[in-house]
Amino acid sequence: EAQVTQNPRYLITVTGKKLTVTCSQNMNHEYMSWYRQDPGLGLRQIYYSMNVEVTDKGDVPEGYKVSRKEKRNFPLILESPSPNQTSLYFCASREMGPYNEQFFGPGTRLTVL
Amino acid sequence: AQKITQTQPGMFVQEKEAVTLDCTYDTSDPSYGLFWYKQPSSGEMIFLIYQGSYDQQNATEGRYSLNFQKARKSANLVISASQLGDSAMYFCAMRETGNAGNMLTFGGGTRLMVKP
Repeated sequence: EAQVTQNPRYLITVTGKKLTVTCSQNMNHEYMSWYRQDPGLGLRQIYYSMNVEVTDKGDVPEGYKVSRKEKRNFPLILESPSPNQTSLYFCASREMGPYNEQFFGPGTRLTVL
Repeated sequence: AQKITQTQPGMFVQEKEAVTLDCTYDTSDPSYGLFWYKQPSSGEMIFLIYQGSYDQQNATEGRYSLNFQKARKSANLVISASQLGDSAMYFCAMRETGNAGNMLTFGGGTRLMVKP
């Protein structure tokens, strides 16, 4: 089944404790991205990647890191999480080209205390 | 300035009636795509419908249709014959081809509630 998977689905952590949210897709998509969703703000893009070893900042990259060492994986790293990073996070992938549908993972609900 | 505006934070509709969810956008790029996604209470994002800026006809997908008015920069989603399962958050999004990275920009969403 074609899908984007994320782990963990739920995470409660404390301020300053490094964490990684994994993302993997099995559709051989070149383009992958991370979003955060906050009430009233819709989804905002954090980082995106158009190919292996190619990543770039989205609209809200502060406090986040990403890496793209393999085509299928695109982990999101919070080196020192803070409470304002409490949010619902989505990983997404699609084929290159502006008109292609974006496939979303199931979401990761993160709470930083 | 907001690129995507959804002015209805919440709406009610009676089951079996049609409902229109508003979306206006702002771009100077002549080439762009407009997308609608549904997010039920379970949280996943479900793609519904797509409209390209050069498409001559309004997009339709089953009970979903897109009322695309290019000059007014609006791309309203019309759901016909509402069902209880249509209760969800709905997001309008845009991708501009001239935008570096072809990012998908989302509106704030509209919560639709279908009454039995």
